[in-house]
Amino acid sequence: GAGVSQTPSNKVTEKGKYVELRCDPISGHTALYWYRQSLGQGPEFLIYFQGTGAADDSGLPNDRFFAVRPEGSVSTLKIQRTERGDSAVYLCASSLTWDRVGNQPQHFGDGTRLSIL
Amino acid sequence: QKEVEQDPGPLSVPEGAIVSLNCTYSNSAFQYFMWYRQYSRKGPELLMYTYSSGNKEDGRFTAQVDKSSKYISLFIRDSQPSDSATYLCAVPLNQGGKLIFGQGTELSVKP
Repeated sequence: GAGVSQTPSNKVTEKGKYVELRCDPISGHTALYWYRQSLGQGPEFLIYFQGTGAADDSGLPNDRFFAVRPEGSVSTLKIQRTERGDSAVYLCASSLTWDRVGNQPQHFGDGTRLSIL
Repeated sequence: QKEVEQDPGPLSVPEGAIVSLNCTYSNSAFQYFMWYRQYSRKGPELLMYTYSSGNKEDGRFTAQVDKSSKYISLFIRDSQPSDSATYLCAVPLNQGGKLIFGQGTELSVKP
């Protein structure tokens, strides 16, 4: 497809379980971003990749959260020992590249709605 | 103080009205300013972005930046029911393209 694809679109799981959320960016986009959006709030930055490496993971809330992008394309956000407070929409975005000024438009997927029971 | 602040609304207007959406920001080093539109259960989509101060117009939409007061605005002329969505202002941090978003303003345009 032409846009950013995220799977699954919805995920319901029990507290304490492990979840993986997948993001397939726009073809050719080297920068990939993960955000989390709680109800009634704007998206909050989690982590971003330039190529295969995590260039900035300062937004990850704690060590239960981890993300990878092994081949510089698809990325997976992993959450261990999920807690009810992790319930949110997890958004992925990609951009063609990144420069220091940060003016490359980011294109978002529709997100994964994660509910922890 | 949050880096970007936005009145969450909700804002309800009749069709055809002029809508004004506003954000303030705290860091005078910000250079780029973006507006995203987010429909229910969808991801944000980039509406407009501007660099530094001044106005930028695109059809019925005008983005305005006043760096002296650290104030950014989005105006929608001749608003339509299809404009009903949440509007998010955002600024990219210079060090890494991560975006800092406002809380979002929920807009409803009534026919």
